[in-house]
Amino acid sequence: KAGVTQTPRYLIKTRGQQVTLSCSPISGHRSVSWYQQTPGQGLQFLFEYFSETQRNKGNFPGRFSGRQFSNSRSEMNVSTLELGDSALYLCASSLVVSLGGSYNEQFFGPGTRLTVL
Amino acid sequence: AQTVTQSQPEMSVQEAETVTLSCTYDTSESNYYLFWYKQPPSRQMILVIRQEAYKQQNATENRFSVNFQKAAKSFSLKISDSQLGDTAMYFCAFMKHLLDSGGSNYKLTFGKGTLLTVNP
Repeated sequence: KAGVTQTPRYLIKTRGQQVTLSCSPISGHRSVSWYQQTPGQGLQFLFEYFSETQRNKGNFPGRFSGRQFSNSRSEMNVSTLELGDSALYLCASSLVVSLGGSYNEQFFGPGTRLTVL
Repeated sequence: AQTVTQSQPEMSVQEAETVTLSCTYDTSESNYYLFWYKQPPSRQMILVIRQEAYKQQNATENRFSVNFQKAAKSFSLKISDSQLGDTAMYFCAFMKHLLDSGGSNYKLTFGKGTLLTVNP
């Protein structure tokens, strides 16, 4: 079974531009989460989607947004890029269990390295 | 809100030796999961081991084991017989129990990580 894929793997943008990153979860996985990884702040949760709905959101400005499609693929968008948005953006997918079920592992993709100049 | 602290930014160990990575956390939850993730230089984050807070028995996965002290809110990772391939950044992470969040919480709270280098 193919793992989580993220495209593109590397991206260079300039301040003020916007960017869209894509994540394709493992087949059958319906939850997709996004994380930002920087040397200073470490790994921080951005948001999580399930059934095309955002269920959880981290403490990031409104410039960061996302969406999920009916096939569970997800995109995140960052508008008006700032230098501080330079980071590795990780996507993770997971099966979703019904209430009372056990934990399902989150599988991470390789990440998209975004550099803002 | 939960916090996860890893007090050792970097560690090194000789091949075949044992090393312990420390992690402490703070939460008011009684049910939760704790994890150790490994991120090798290739950047793919991999789950190493998982502990459910209601289980007193420490989790073990081959050469990896944890020392879970719930009262002390401590969750350390022991790597036995260290191998060169263990060289990576190791992250301790916390997740609220799914049942306590209505089955909808998939948010991981990570520590800042410990860079482990295994030397030949």
